Amino acid sequence: DSGVTQTPKHLITATGQRVTLRCSPRSGDLSVYWYQQSLDQGLQFLIQYYNGEERAKGNILERFSAQQFPDLHSELNLSSLELGDSALYFCASGGARGGLAASTDTQYFGPGTRLTVL
Amino acid sequence: DAKTTQPPSMDCAEGRAANLPCNHSTISGNEYVYWYRQIHSQGPQYIIHGLKNNETNEMASLIITEDRKSSTLILPHATLRDTAVYYCIVRRYGGSQGNLIFGKGTKLSVKP
Repeated sequence: DSGVTQTPKHLITATGQRVTLRCSPRSGDLSVYWYQQSLDQGLQFLIQYYNGEERAKGNILERFSAQQFPDLHSELNLSSLELGDSALYFCASGGARGGLAASTDTQYFGPGTRLTVL
Repeated sequence: DAKTTQPPSMDCAEGRAANLPCNHSTISGNEYVYWYRQIHSQGPQYIIHGLKNNETNEMASLIITEDRKSSTLILPHATLRDTAVYYCIVRRYGGSQGNLIFGKGTKLSVKP
């Protein structure tokens, strides 16, 4: 158990819909990272938040957005869903109390949310 | 693109040591070598990381060559539960460069 929680575990929805995935980081971690894993693309970085602020962006579509709340949990919002958005979505947390400059910011992953778009 | 090269698959007999190689010839001086594994479709699991010295923890050992251009992850006594895809990743720590870039990894099959 990594200490990172993600809900829901499974999500089935239709094209054109909008969903929200939730991630709670490990206690004390300030960073949340979102990754997408599809069969043809492998694990890809989407976006990082650190202490409520966006820190880095990867291959995140404009239809996707994220935020990190004051209690440090994060939500990934996926809208206008397409069949190709079906994938596993993982969040990871890191950047513990020592801060990014003081640690190697090892990332610990949650169990993931499996999204199926029909 | 991933900055590492790993064999696509390896087999190991249960109880024997599994040695997983990784080439990272373009690694920079401020980049660490990280190893993660993913069992089925579970979340990637952190195993170990190192900069230039060899490292050991309760899961594995990491041997980094002196020129830092390659490394080997060693699982000393592989079990069936170690069957997974193993990812070798080089990464700068901290700041805005902290995301992990996953390649295709090595699929390790531990056989009875």
